[in-house]
Amino acid sequence: ETGVTQTPRHLVMGMTNKKSLKCEQHLGHNAMYWYKQSAKKPLELMFVYNFKEQTENNSVPSRFSPECPNSSHLFLHLHTLQPEDSALYLCASSHVGDSDGYTFGSGTRLTVV
Amino acid sequence: DQQVKQNSPSLSVQEGRISILNCDYTNSMFDYFLWYKKYPAEGPTFLISISSIKDKNEDGRFTVFLNKSAKHLSLHIVPSQPGDSAVYFCAASGWVSGSARQLTFGSGTQLTVLP
Repeated sequence: ETGVTQTPRHLVMGMTNKKSLKCEQHLGHNAMYWYKQSAKKPLELMFVYNFKEQTENNSVPSRFSPECPNSSHLFLHLHTLQPEDSALYLCASSHVGDSDGYTFGSGTRLTVV
Repeated sequence: DQQVKQNSPSLSVQEGRISILNCDYTNSMFDYFLWYKKYPAEGPTFLISISSIKDKNEDGRFTVFLNKSAKHLSLHIVPSQPGDSAVYFCAASGWVSGSARQLTFGSGTQLTVLP
């Protein structure tokens, strides 16, 4: 079990559904991130939260809505997704300004049908 | 436009031989470089890193080389073992704004070590 826990591990949802992905870290980090990994593509940064404040939104469609209630928890709310949104969604955490990299969760494998 | 590129999507190597994974970057503001390893159904895990003030960093079987003038880095694994079979992501770190550092990832290279 890593210090970053993501639930659920797998999710299948219809295009009209609303679901949420959850991420929790127990490392005392103060920055959290959502990444999307599609097949044979780079990990794409979606959102960045530093000290619970969103500092980055990389042109992500509004059907993805992040929420960071505290520095240990991060959510990604999903609604009216498209089949092309099917991917592995990874959460990561770090200390703000830390150059030693991030700690990743195991990801949520999302399939939109 | 990708700022971090891994041009080889896959690499196969015989057990005991050397594996060399390559990565190129375009942004001169990157000053720290990392390699992550990813097994199926798991998140990426940190493997080794190098600061831009160095040209080599070694950790056991893993060595990372940085050529700043060519904006190129490589990961050498020797000797390669079947357990090294995984996807390897190159990542570059730089200050994006104020107090925020961000990692920019390549698309990954699937390494297969054949017994």
